[in-house]
Amino acid sequence: QVQLQESGPGLVKPSETLSLTCAVSGGSISSNYWWSWVRQPPGKGLEWIAEIYHSGSTNCNPSLKSRVTISVDQSKNQFSLNLNSVTAADTAVYYCARKTYGWPRSLDYWGQGILVTVSS
Amino acid sequence: DIQMTQSPSSLSASVGDGVTITCRASQSINNYLNWYQQKPGKAPKLLIYAASSLQSGVPSRFSGSGSGTDFILTISSLQPEDFATYYCQQSYSTPGFGGGTKVEIK
Repeated sequence: QVQLQESGPGLVKPSETLSLTCAVSGGSISSNYWWSWVRQPPGKGLEWIAEIYHSGSTNCNPSLKSRVTISVDQSKNQFSLNLNSVTAADTAVYYCARKTYGWPRSLDYWGQGILVTVSS
Repeated sequence: DIQMTQSPSSLSASVGDGVTITCRASQSINNYLNWYQQKPGKAPKLLIYAASSLQSGVPSRFSGSGSGTDFILTISSLQPEDFATYYCQQSYSTPGFGGGTKVEIK
């Protein structure tokens, strides 16, 4: 059973960089899946952020692309998200998730989520 | 960008009721449509993939239909554990979610 676990600071100051890591267990990050980040502001809906394949190929939400860096560490079986120049609007629960590589491209396993608050 | 529109945004129903949630895409997405259930404080859970295929372990009272731009999630007989928020998500292009439908107890 694949498990994903997010980790990182729960509080980030405005204009700084939000950095999160997702540790994958019960499966290899080098398998045929995309590894994704999704966020959810308090009381609001879901927003897809970005995804990465173990080869390093990435896709990113155009609305966030200029601020997002996503990376993978196969040796540690984990992947990471950096979001720079954060504002209060970036306060959200951040989820990591696994996406099937080909059809149907669904998010079939999710982490429990981590609340990140942007505040001074 | 493909926009996903769900309706209604919320509904009230009783245990045993049948429920229908609609999701419309701004352009054709073939059957690249997934449905998720989210309970308060929990991560979303995949219910239906490819518009109509039931994810392993999901009760058969959940079903999905549609293709192209119009999709439906049906819960045939609402159970107490089904009160939650439901999201559609297109995976045809850059992934995008609908706004969600909150199913509440009447």
